Amino acid sequence: GQQVMQIPQYQHVQEGEDFTTYCNSSTTLSNIQWYKQRPGGHPVFLIQLVKSGEVKKQKRLTFQFGEAKKNSSLHITATQTTDVGTYFCAGYDRGSTLGRLYFGRGTQLTVWP
Amino acid sequence: SQTIHQWPATLVQPVGSPLSLECTVEGTSNPNLYWYRQAAGRGLQLLFYSVGIGQISSEVPQNLSASRPQDRQFILSSKKLLLSDSGFYLCAWNLEGPYNEQFFGPGTRLTVL
Repeated sequence: GQQVMQIPQYQHVQEGEDFTTYCNSSTTLSNIQWYKQRPGGHPVFLIQLVKSGEVKKQKRLTFQFGEAKKNSSLHITATQTTDVGTYFCAGYDRGSTLGRLYFGRGTQLTVWP
Repeated sequence: SQTIHQWPATLVQPVGSPLSLECTVEGTSNPNLYWYRQAAGRGLQLLFYSVGIGQISSEVPQNLSASRPQDRQFILSSKKLLLSDSGFYLCAWNLEGPYNEQFFGPGTRLTVL
């Protein structure tokens, strides 16, 4: 069945270092979404990628969608303590029976000051 | 603007007791509604989703059930809670297709003792 794998599960960085999380799907995705969940909070939508090879930027965050639409990445440049949280990718597979979003397990980011 | 409410915010229940969690959405019509469970430090597990009143799709067979008695109301229930039901329960909504961004409620933290 459909699976979305996300690595790493945990990442600890010092403030100012870069951070990357990777998402891989077992099937071709129609689109992929990224969410951020602060400690104790709920997931908040960050961005959606739809096109093959698409790259989008939000300030220090860069999101990529692979050419085959099976993988994606989120890169944060020069992390800050406000970046702390868990980052989830979620893929939409139009061909799936229920047409639902498949969430990765998330990457929990800790930033040391 | 749209808002989503969940209650209660926290709940401690004994094993074998019943459960009722409520989610309501304001400011929109005919939303898709979702129930997710998040175990401590884990990803999001989709439990149920609904595209309309009385229409419920179940993802994982378990001792939980869901109902949608009104357009913007989604209820998660159980007749007898298990220890394994502990977790963070999140309600979410979106419009049109499941490929659109989802908006999550603040969540209910359930502890079964």
